[in-house]
Amino acid sequence: QKEVEQNSGPLSVPEGAIASLNCTYSDRVSQSFFWYRQYSGKSPELIMSIYSNGDKEDGRFTAQLNKASQYVSLLIRDSQPSDSATYLCAVKGSGGSNYKLTFGKGTLLTVNP
Amino acid sequence: KAGVTQTPRYLIKTRGQQVTLSCSPISGHRSVSWYQQTPGQGLQFLFEYFSETQRNKGNFPGRFSGRQFSNSRSEMNVSTLELGDSALYLCASSPSGGLSETQYFGPGTRLLVL
Repeated sequence: QKEVEQNSGPLSVPEGAIASLNCTYSDRVSQSFFWYRQYSGKSPELIMSIYSNGDKEDGRFTAQLNKASQYVSLLIRDSQPSDSATYLCAVKGSGGSNYKLTFGKGTLLTVNP
Repeated sequence: KAGVTQTPRYLIKTRGQQVTLSCSPISGHRSVSWYQQTPGQGLQFLFEYFSETQRNKGNFPGRFSGRQFSNSRSEMNVSTLELGDSALYLCASSPSGGLSETQYFGPGTRLLVL
């Protein structure tokens, strides 16, 4: 079982819609969860971080964490064409290491005007 | 604050050669991590350094090595390059590598091995 799995995509949504990105992780001791956005040819940049169960909102972005289900998601409301990118879920504190980020393979999101 | 910088940005090498990549973290950040990104495997952790000490290493062969200097700048070295080493190499820094700390990525070094 892969440590961090994301819905494989690609995901295509119309402008103004809600995009839902999902991620599951295998190691129950994982403690910190991050969503990064990566534009083609660029490096990852942080969108959201979440550490406790529940929802965390930042502008159009909402991260949701459910540690019992080992599930973390990212909702993007009012999607814009500029949101088109690969979204990477990353987990910290798994595999006995506090220092490394373990990434999913990413979900490519396309927002159509 | 200046971001994470990496040099060089692009490299072309041939099989069997070795390469050294450099990373300068954000000022005040003492933890530097290195990742390899390929289309097939995604982002994979190579190693993490803090105060000149390697604290964690990923599942890569011994051809991949790194070090950190007293000013927190870090280098990674790949010896005896193979075609499969072609990838984007990213470094990321954080204040101390703590569990809740965000890692900030540099622009990456794109390595092509011919």
